[in-house]
Amino acid sequence: SAVISQKPSRDICQRGTSLTIQCQVDSQVTMMFWYRQQPGQSLTLIATANQGSEATYESGFVIDKFPISRPNLTFSTLTVSNMSPEDSSIYLCSVNRAWDTEAFFGQGTRLTVV
Amino acid sequence: LAKTTQPISMDSYEGQEVNITCSHNNIATNDYITWYQQFPSQGPRFIIQGYKTKVTNEVASLFIPADRKSSTLSLPRVSLSDTAVYYCLVGDKNSNYQLIWGAGTKLIIKP
Repeated sequence: SAVISQKPSRDICQRGTSLTIQCQVDSQVTMMFWYRQQPGQSLTLIATANQGSEATYESGFVIDKFPISRPNLTFSTLTVSNMSPEDSSIYLCSVNRAWDTEAFFGQGTRLTVV
Repeated sequence: LAKTTQPISMDSYEGQEVNITCSHNNIATNDYITWYQQFPSQGPRFIIQGYKTKVTNEVASLFIPADRKSSTLSLPRVSLSDTAVYYCLVGDKNSNYQLIWGAGTKLIIKP
C-alpha cells in the first residue's frame, strides 16, 4: 500500500487569498492526481501532476487558478489561488503506482472560504 | 473512458447481504472494473477490482457477467460500519489510471 500525508486537513480562508495543499507519499509514485469533492457530491479530477513536467488539467480547471508543483516522485502541492466562496470544497490527493491495481487517497483537505 | 450508473441510495439491515449493481454499457476491452468505499471526511478506499467473471477477497465479491456491461458488488453480512458511499469505476490501466467518478451509491445499514 501507499501512505499519503495531506496537509492541512482543514482551513478557513479569506476570499482573495491563496492556500497551498501538500501531499507527501511514503514511496515513489509515477502518477499523482488532485481531485475536488463538493459536500455530498462525487469526486472531480482537477489535474494530473507529472514529475518533471507541467501538470495536465481537466476541462474547467486552469493553471492560473490551481497551480501544481511536482518536484519529485514523492511530493506534490496544489495551490488554490484568489479564492472565492465557490472554492469551498474538499481537495484530495491520490496516487497510483505502476504495479498497483488500486489508487490510494489522502484524507483530504476541507477548505472553507469566507 | 466509460461512465457508470448506480442507484443513488440503498438501505439494508445488519447481518444481511447487500448487492449493489453498476451499469457500464460502454466499457472498453481494456477497462477494469473497480469499486471504492468512502466514509465521511475520508478519502476513498479500494475494495475490489475485476475484469470478468467473479472476484472475491476478504471484504467483498465482485460479479461480472460475460458481456461486462454491468457488475455487482456483494457485501456479505453487513454491519453498521459498512454505512458509506460506494463508487463503481471503469478505467484502463494504460490511460494513466485516470478515473471518472460517478455519483456513487449511499448505503445505509440499519440496526
